Amino acid sequence: KAGVTQTPRYLIKTRGQQVTLSCSPISGHRSVSWYQQTPGQGLQFLFEYFSETQRNKGNFPGRFSGRQFSNSRSEMNVSTLELGDSALYLCASSSTGRDLSYEQYFGPGTRLTVT
Amino acid sequence: QKEVEQDPGPLSVPEGAIVSLNCTYSNSAFQYFMWYRQYSRKGPELLMYTYSSGNKEDGRFTAQVDKSSKYISLFIRDSQPSDSATYLCAMSGRDDKIIFGKGTRLHILP
Repeated sequence: KAGVTQTPRYLIKTRGQQVTLSCSPISGHRSVSWYQQTPGQGLQFLFEYFSETQRNKGNFPGRFSGRQFSNSRSEMNVSTLELGDSALYLCASSSTGRDLSYEQYFGPGTRLTVT
Repeated sequence: QKEVEQDPGPLSVPEGAIVSLNCTYSNSAFQYFMWYRQYSRKGPELLMYTYSSGNKEDGRFTAQVDKSSKYISLFIRDSQPSDSATYLCAMSGRDDKIIFGKGTRLHILP
């Protein structure tokens, strides 16, 4: 079974621009979660999508948004980029049903650098 | 006080030694406790998952949860150089939001 894939793997953007990151979950997985990882703050939860609906959200500003498509693929968008948005963005998928499953499988991440 | 505290290390131990990794937390509502391993340039990989208190063993890995002390541990027996990685604790409560520790960098010296 193929793992979680994320594209692109590396991205360089300038302040003020916007960016869209993509995540393809493991086949059959319907839940996709997004995380931001930085050396200072560690791994922080952004949001979770299940069956095209946002089911849970972390404490990030509205510049961070996401969506999920009918095939469970998910995209995350960050508008008006700031230097502090430089981070590794990780996507995780799970085959959860009604409740959040803790057996999450992470992708390799997208390294975003904002200059 | 941060919700989850984890010593960043680095922790260096000789091959074959027993490794002890720990996290403390402040939220008594946490019920689910996880340990992830993250190699450089890779995403985290779930190692152990425990519900509530007690011990759980899986091969060379043992996870312990002490809810009365708000303290969780991961023990690695017969440590190998391939165990060198960053280990992240994570926990969650009724709101299903997963809170991660910042990770401990572990080096196993051959």
